[in-house]
Formats: sequence, structure tokens, C-alpha cells
Amino acid sequence: DTAVSQTPKYLVTQMGNDKSIKCEQNLGHDTMYWYKQDSKKFLKIMFSYNNKELIINETVPNRFSPKSPDKAHLNLHINSLELGDSAVYFCASSPPPPNTGELFFGEGSRLTVL
Amino acid sequence: KQEVTQIPAALSVPEGENLVLNCSFTDSAIYNLQWFRQDPGKGLTSLLLIQSSQREQTSGRLNASLDKSSGRSTLYIAASQPGDSATYLCAVRRDGGATNKLIFGTGTLLAVQP
Repeated sequence: DTAVSQTPKYLVTQMGNDKSIKCEQNLGHDTMYWYKQDSKKFLKIMFSYNNKELIINETVPNRFSPKSPDKAHLNLHINSLELGDSAVYFCASSPPPPNTGELFFGEGSRLTVL
Repeated sequence: KQEVTQIPAALSVPEGENLVLNCSFTDSAIYNLQWFRQDPGKGLTSLLLIQSSQREQTSGRLNASLDKSSGRSTLYIAASQPGDSATYLCAVRRDGGATNKLIFGTGTLLAVQP
């Protein structure tokens, strides 16, 4: 199936640990994103990569480090996890311009930090 | 700075009613506006995408309109069903380039009572 897929879907871990979330899209898109959805359901962009190049880097703690090994993959690594990192993290992708600008989202990865 | 607001924050209606969800944005210079649906614990499903040059888009029982000059979009749901219960999010994009990001609204939680 063509889609944006994220793993794992659920992640429960202790404060101070390091964890990674992986994202893959087989839609042939050039641009991929990481969004964070907080407890109030508000979605905010964290990072965006275009053809493996970082193009958007919002004000995010440097404990968060995205890595794009190729344009179909965008992983998110988080060091020294804190309670406030608990959220749902969504990966998304969009086709290159000229395009409709539509974003396609993965199912989300729910991170719980204890 | 673009801000997107959705009213109401929550809505409960009996099955069969027609309803309107509102989305407003502060900067009318947008590339497109996208409406999403999010079911509890799930990812985002794209419902409708309206380009800045368009006034409305329709898909089945859904109709989305866009008035750029007044910074408003509405999502009309006809003959609502319990299966329509979800959180509805609107998001705007300033341009179609790879560096651009989607700015999300605060969401409307819809409950359709059988």
C-alpha cells in the first residue's frame, strides 16, 4: 500500500532515555515533515526535509535530531527524554512543486515519558 | 504571523442534522487550505483541499468553502452520521514551496448522537 508509515505506534519510556521514531513514505515525495501534537491536540511543525536536506527547523530543543538517510525516510531521534516530550509525533510528506501543496500524514507515534 | 482559529471548539448534534464548522486565519496570503479529520488515537485523514484560487470543494456530504479576503473557511457536513464523530482540523499553507509549512487550527471536536 502507498502510505506514510511510522514505527513504533506506541512508545513508553523513562525520563533520561534516548529513543527514535522512524518514518517512511513510498509516495515518491521529496519533502517530509515531523509534527508534534500536544495534549490539547494542537499540531505544530518541528522539522522539514527536502531531498535529505533540512529546510525547516522550528524552535525545538537540540535533544531532538532528525535524520534523513534518503528522501523516502525521515527519522526522529530524541536524547535525554523529558516528561514534556510526551506527545503524539506525526510524520508527513508532500510532493515537489508544482503541486497542490497537500500533505499526507502517517498514523502517529504516541510517546509517553514516565 | 499566521494564526488559525476554529470555532466552535466542540459541537454535539443529533444524527441527520446539517452542520457547519468554521476556520479563520489572520493572514489572507495563503496558497491553500486543507481540512483534516482525526479519529481518537488515529492519524490525520485529508478531507478536502482548496487552492487559493478556488471558492469551494465538494466530496460526498462534505463541502468546504474559502473566502480569502475575509480569512475564513467553512466545512459543511450534510445529513450528519454518528460515523462523522471526530476532531476536524483546518490548516493553511502560505506557499507551495518546499520551505513552507502547514499552520494548523485548534480543531473542532464533533460528536454526532444517534
